[in-house]
Amino acid sequence: AQSVAQPEDQVNVAEGNPLTVKCTYSVSGNPYLFWYVQYPNRGLQFLLKYITGDNLVKGSYGFEAEFNKSQTSFHLKKPSALVSDSALYFCAVSDKTSYDKVIFGPGTSLSVIP
Amino acid sequence: GAVVSQHPSRVICKSGTSVKIECRSLDFQATTMFWYRQFPKKSLMLMATSNEGSKATYEQGVEKDKFLINHASLTLSTLTVTSAHPEDSSFYICSATGLETQYFGPGTRLLVL
Repeated sequence: AQSVAQPEDQVNVAEGNPLTVKCTYSVSGNPYLFWYVQYPNRGLQFLLKYITGDNLVKGSYGFEAEFNKSQTSFHLKKPSALVSDSALYFCAVSDKTSYDKVIFGPGTSLSVIP
Repeated sequence: GAVVSQHPSRVICKSGTSVKIECRSLDFQATTMFWYRQFPKKSLMLMATSNEGSKATYEQGVEKDKFLINHASLTLSTLTVTSAHPEDSSFYICSATGLETQYFGPGTRLLVL
């Protein structure tokens, strides 16, 4: 069975500092991995995905994520946080054999402090 | 990226009435769409998979007769909450798959009084 863990409910970071939002996953086959962001009372916006190839994936708004197969992790990163990055972030995983059935992590609330 | 719309964005209804929520893929065809429910500050809970031209597949614990799903075309899926009760109040989000990625609608806030 597929599962996603986001060990931190809340991440606080000062504006201008690098940020990391952690994600680990479990999937039986080869994973498809995703990051989404959700602003209050809005749907989810796609940030980036890993399917195959380079372990470092670059996405929207300056975000990137690194796929680490040995640690089964897919942490989201940004070199310099903006106040506008404050939102709820979801990591998600699917199995390549049924890639459209996506399982979401519990979410991490990111607060960027001015 | 692909665009998915939902209508209405917010709806308030009386207990016992039915509410229909539409989900449309605007610039691509989607044979499969998904319906999620989200409680405040919680993750998305998959309710059902909507298949064009066939019956929806519901997740365990989701009442089929309560949440009716119709996938009428390759660009439209509807979720009808029948005989709504206050406990059905929630944020409902649909998604559709395009280019091996799920794209989400903006969500519909349902409040049942």
